[in-house]
Amino acid sequence: DVVMTQSPLSLPVTLGQPASISCRSSHSLVYSDGNTYLNWFQQRPGQSPRRLIYMISNRDSGVPDRFSGSGSDTDFTLKISRVEAEDVGDYYCMQATHWPYTFGQGTKLEIK
Amino acid sequence: EVQLVESGGGLVQPGGSLRLSCVASGFTFSNYRMSWVRQAPGKGLEWVAHMKQDGSEKYYVDSVKGRFTISRDNAENSLYLQMNSLRAEDTGIYYCARDPNIRYWGQGTLVTVSS
Repeated sequence: DVVMTQSPLSLPVTLGQPASISCRSSHSLVYSDGNTYLNWFQQRPGQSPRRLIYMISNRDSGVPDRFSGSGSDTDFTLKISRVEAEDVGDYYCMQATHWPYTFGQGTKLEIK
Repeated sequence: EVQLVESGGGLVQPGGSLRLSCVASGFTFSNYRMSWVRQAPGKGLEWVAHMKQDGSEKYYVDSVKGRFTISRDNAENSLYLQMNSLRAEDTGIYYCARDPNIRYWGQGTLVTVSS
């Protein structure tokens, strides 16, 4: 199975400051069609997860533009340009290139 | 608006069975692959099972192979997860999710396996 490794696992951030989460995969996530199926999810406390970014860098509708995704092959990053209070929660990367789909361990973002 | 509503969770003894259901609305259910994802208490997300639109392809995480069966009824806009030989480690919230790439999630249904 593809192992997804996130860092850091805990991310204390001051309001208005940037934040960055790394996600590395044990295998290339480039599919045979040339696409890379790497996605990012946010889970606020007590809520279901919500997809933020699909295929590395595409923001889902309704997601603020302070969220951005980048990377390639096995190395990916989620960035928040200016953290707001509503961004508190857990963030997960997930690969959907290989079966089984696998998630990273999660990164808990909190306000300092 | 896309809606996914799960039901069927509850308390079951080890070795028991449960059948989870998910009713979809707000999109043409028969056009989409679907998945189940779970989350143990206080833990991260784990993808469990996936099914193609017509049922011709099914995939499972190794830990549930031979015990869980994913199915769907496109006429009823419904997805199911039959869970047999349940273990304590199967405890958690089970989410129904629409593919590709797990775009939409339901609110989840809680499964507790305990004696």
